[in-house]
Amino acid sequence: DTGVSQDPRHKITKRGQNVTFRCDPISEHNRLYWYRQTLGQGPEFLTYFQNEAQLEKSRLLSDRFSAERPKGSFSTLEIQRTEQGDSAMYLCASSLGGGPGEQYFGPGTRLTVT
Amino acid sequence: GESVGLHLPTLSVQEGDNSIINCAYSNSASDYFIWYKQESGKGPQFIIDIRSNMDKRQGQRVTVLLNKTVKHLSLQIAATQPGDSAVYFCAENISDSSYKLIFGSGTRLLVRP
Repeated sequence: DTGVSQDPRHKITKRGQNVTFRCDPISEHNRLYWYRQTLGQGPEFLTYFQNEAQLEKSRLLSDRFSAERPKGSFSTLEIQRTEQGDSAMYLCASSLGGGPGEQYFGPGTRLTVT
Repeated sequence: GESVGLHLPTLSVQEGDNSIINCAYSNSASDYFIWYKQESGKGPQFIIDIRSNMDKRQGQRVTVLLNKTVKHLSLQIAATQPGDSAVYFCAENISDSSYKLIFGSGTRLLVRP
C-alpha cells in the first residue's frame, strides 16, 4: 500500500494520559498536514510541515499538542494530559508540491478519551 | 471569520439521476476550492478542484461550478451510482498565504437503488 498510513487506527485513553500518533506520508511527498475531525463536521486544520520544518500551527493546537517531523518523513502528533474534548478523529495528509488541494489523506486515528 | 458552509445536510437521489451538492463560502480572498468525498471509516478522498480564475471544471462524471459573485460552489455528479454514497465536503484555501484547507461541515449523499 503506497498511500498515507496512520497508527494506531483507534486509541482509547483515560483523561490525563498522554497519547502519541504516527503518520507515514506517501514516500516522495514533502508536505505533511494534521487535521482533526469531530463527528458530523469537516476536518479542522491543526498544523503542517514542509520537509522537517513546521510552517503553520492553528490556534486549535494548544500547549498540550505537539507535532514533529524529525527527518522530513514520518510525523508524530502528541497530546499531553488528554481531555474529553480531545476525542476526535485525527487525520494526516500529505502532498507533493503543487496546489494545497492535492492532499492525500490517511484513514485517521480515532481517539476516545474516557 | 472564515467559514465554508453547505446548504443541505442530506441529499437523497435515485440511482442514475444527477446529483448537485451546494456550498457557500464567506472569504472573498479564497482562490482555490476543492471537493472531497469521505466514506465511513476512511479519510477524505480528493475529487476535483477549481481555481478562482475558472467558472467550471469537469472531471470524470463530476463537474464543479464556481460563482464568485455570490460565493457559491457546487458539485454535480452525473448518473449517480451507489458507490457515490458518502459525505461530501467543500474546502477553500487562500493560496498566497497558506496551504491549509478550510472545510465545511459536509453533505451526506444517499443513493437509492
